[in-house]
Amino acid sequence: GQQLNQSPQSMFIQEGEDVSMNCTSSSIFNTWLWYKQDPGEGPVLLIALYKAGELTSNGRLTAQFGITRKDSFLNISASIPSDVGIYFCAGLNYGGSQGNLIFGKGTKLSVKP
Amino acid sequence: EAGVTQSPTHLIKTRGQQVTLRCSPISGHTSVYWYQQALGLGLQFLLWYDEGEERNRGNFPPRFSGRQFPNYSSELNVNALELEDSALYLCASSPSRGLIYGYTFGSGTRLTVV
Repeated sequence: GQQLNQSPQSMFIQEGEDVSMNCTSSSIFNTWLWYKQDPGEGPVLLIALYKAGELTSNGRLTAQFGITRKDSFLNISASIPSDVGIYFCAGLNYGGSQGNLIFGKGTKLSVKP
Repeated sequence: EAGVTQSPTHLIKTRGQQVTLRCSPISGHTSVYWYQQALGLGLQFLLWYDEGEERNRGNFPPRFSGRQFPNYSSELNVNALELEDSALYLCASSPSRGLIYGYTFGSGTRLTVV
């Protein structure tokens, strides 16, 4: 079945640092979504991307829909402690076997000790 | 507008017991999805219901089952609980069409099997 490769799997941040993560697929998606999950909570939608090449911002978050439609990137600028959590990318594929969304395995953001 | 609600929020069960988790989707959403998330790891797809029917299930044994009611709420049942079933169980909902905002997730049910 379809899979999304999300990297890095985990990373440590220091307050003020910029963070980058990405998601790649062997298949084309028409919509890319980025979710954030705080500990003990369900994932919450951060950004949705609908067009190849699209660059969308939500505060300090910026996401891009890759021009090939097979990848997407999420950047967080000037990270703060509340950015800690797990970030999931998701590709929208109507009528897929697992429902309509395919999720990456997540990038876990932690604060540097 | 109420979000996706799940109950209970926390549950402790003994190995071998059975458990039922409940999910109410956002009003107007007809699809419900169940995911298992162990130890803050990835989302493992369990079940997908749409318009009252099971559309697909993930790679889980038959002791994981569920159903969707006419009002589109859903139950997840797990029989013969095992220790490794301890996880956060997440329910999400979406409309059948016009899925431009993806899924909306509930806060989950934390199941601990002892």
